[in-house]
Amino acid sequence: DVKVTQSSRYLVKRTGEKVFLECVQDMDHENMFWYRQDPGLGLRLIYFSYDVKMKEKGDIPEGYSVSREKKERFSLILESASTNQTSMYLCASSIGGEGNQPQHFGDGTRLSIL
Amino acid sequence: GQNIDQPTEMTATEGAIVQINCTYQTSGFNGLFWYQQHAGEAPTFLSYNVLDGLEEKGRFSSFLSRSKGYSYLLLKELQMKDSASYLCACKGGSYIPTFGRGTSLIVHP
Repeated sequence: DVKVTQSSRYLVKRTGEKVFLECVQDMDHENMFWYRQDPGLGLRLIYFSYDVKMKEKGDIPEGYSVSREKKERFSLILESASTNQTSMYLCASSIGGEGNQPQHFGDGTRLSIL
Repeated sequence: GQNIDQPTEMTATEGAIVQINCTYQTSGFNGLFWYQQHAGEAPTFLSYNVLDGLEEKGRFSSFLSRSKGYSYLLLKELQMKDSASYLCACKGGSYIPTFGRGTSLIVHP
């Protein structure tokens, strides 16, 4: 079974702090994704990566950056946290290519910015 | 860009059948996924359609009509544990899936 592990289930930070959310997958997947999930808005893509050191902006990248130094690890960085970044953050991975491979999600990190 | 539309909430009775619809508008099409997400948990994969027609997997089936930009998820013999959000996700020309806002299904005894 694919395992996607997010480092924290719950996190509380203060406005202006630099925040790191970590995600690790154990199935050698090429693709990794970061989403945020808000009530009424669904899953919105922040960034994704299709290979080590490669990253692409999603639909809402402002205020975020990412790092993928190793294939199994994809980090989301909030450069200077703001209250509107309070949300549930979900990491996902999938096999690369153009086929029918589904995404496998971590359990999420519920982040509160005070 | 892509636009995915699905109902916000549906209710149904245990033992019944429910159909959750999803319409999409994409530039290019490379498949449609359905995921289930229980409250506080990760979304989990249910089905994938890329060709027109019905895919059946036990109590769950998924249908696709590419010409109509339409899919549905059919849940039969509903159980209380089927209460969850159901997410429709469409792969357009970029091969990156875009998610709808999800349909919250409430199953009553």
